[in-house]
Amino acid sequence: EVRLVESGGGLVQPGGSLTLSCAASGFTFSNYDMNWVRQAPGKGPEWLSHIKSDKSDSVKYYRDSVKGRFTVSRDSAENSLYLQMNSLRVEDTAVYYCVRGRRSFDIWGQGTMVTVSS
Amino acid sequence: EIVLTQSPGTLSLSPGESATLSCRASRSVHSDYLAWYQQKPGQPPRLLIYGASSRATGIPDRFSGSGSGTDFTLSISRLEPEDFAVYYCQQDDYSPFTFGPGTKVDIK
Repeated sequence: EVRLVESGGGLVQPGGSLTLSCAASGFTFSNYDMNWVRQAPGKGPEWLSHIKSDKSDSVKYYRDSVKGRFTVSRDSAENSLYLQMNSLRVEDTAVYYCVRGRRSFDIWGQGTMVTVSS
Repeated sequence: EIVLTQSPGTLSLSPGESATLSCRASRSVHSDYLAWYQQKPGQPPRLLIYGASSRATGIPDRFSGSGSGTDFTLSISRLEPEDFAVYYCQQDDYSPFTFGPGTKVDIK
């Protein structure tokens, strides 16, 4: 079964840091582009970052609002995707999803909740 | 940034009726990079349509997508009770990849 499982969410104070992890299984992780997408309560999905497959040298893209604060990485030996988040803001509060693909975001994890609050 | 505008915001229909959802892009998007998703409360979005018109695995044929350039459409024929949900279009032709604000299809 193709599966993505996120972990690492929680409550953090403004200005704090958090690292999210995504464990992939059921497919050859190294062959796929991956994404982080978040969804604030009551809002639509918002794409955050994209990392290409290993064969594409893991090129990375970010949306401007997280560029310089968030860093995406992958470890194909561990079949894992990561999102290092620094300088967190209240407006970063959301469910964070790990998502497979480019041209179609075909597999989504169940998400991990990040709450930024004092 | 490519802005996707979806209309209508809400569509109130009865089971058995058909739905037509619109997605307009602020500039041209290659059809290969336009997708539609369905989301129900408490669940992640689910891929319905990719490449503007190709159904994802396991998606029933009452869902169809069409369009090109800046105008795309998701059609749902013969609404089933499980089809009442929020639908988003999305482009990943140009970074930043963007989603539309969604169309909610609710029961009349």
